[in-house]
Amino acid sequence: NAGVMQNPRHLVRRRGQEARLRCSPMKGHSHVYWYRQLPEEGLKFMVYLQKENIIDESGMPKERFSAEFPKEGPSILRIQQVVRGDSAAYFCASAASQETQYFGPGTRLLVL
Amino acid sequence: KNEVEQSPQNLTAQEGEFITINCSYSVGISALHWLQQHPGGGIVSLFMLSSGKKKHGRLIATINIQEKHSSLHITASHPRDSAVYICAVRSMGASGSRLTFGEGTQLTVNP
Repeated sequence: NAGVMQNPRHLVRRRGQEARLRCSPMKGHSHVYWYRQLPEEGLKFMVYLQKENIIDESGMPKERFSAEFPKEGPSILRIQQVVRGDSAAYFCASAASQETQYFGPGTRLLVL
Repeated sequence: KNEVEQSPQNLTAQEGEFITINCSYSVGISALHWLQQHPGGGIVSLFMLSSGKKKHGRLIATINIQEKHSSLHITASHPRDSAVYICAVRSMGASGSRLTFGEGTQLTVNP
């Protein structure tokens, strides 16, 4: 049973470009969470999704950030018009229910 | 004040020492998680607990709901235990699945 997969593992973007981060949950998991870890800071919740639904997006910046978890395929975290302050590690976690969350390896985004 | 506070922020130990990391929180919770983040950045979930005590190998986690406090203990510490240990709580409420994290405790175990 493969763990949570994230790709790419590293992503470099120039200011103004778009970043798309993918998360494939563990088999059988329908709950996906996205977290951000800014340099030298702790993890912060961004968004919680179940299949085709956003349950809680209270941690998402109001502009440029969006997330989806379609019926088929991975969950996508999309950042439009990236800025240097978006440089961070983005982790997703999946769960079968509101229980133990299993973390992916993260995507390290660097904005030049 | 953060909702989740960890202490100490940094901890250096000699191999074989008994280690304790503390976590205090200020909100009502449905569960508390202990996570381990290695230098490469990957995060591993060590424990999820809502009461009492759990043990896995050399790791022990305890929680006191009345005092809103949890501890993570490592017995017979080893250099491979060197990592950041993060306490996270799952708050009660409508969006009860979101985790709120402490700032982490950087543990270094020297041989």
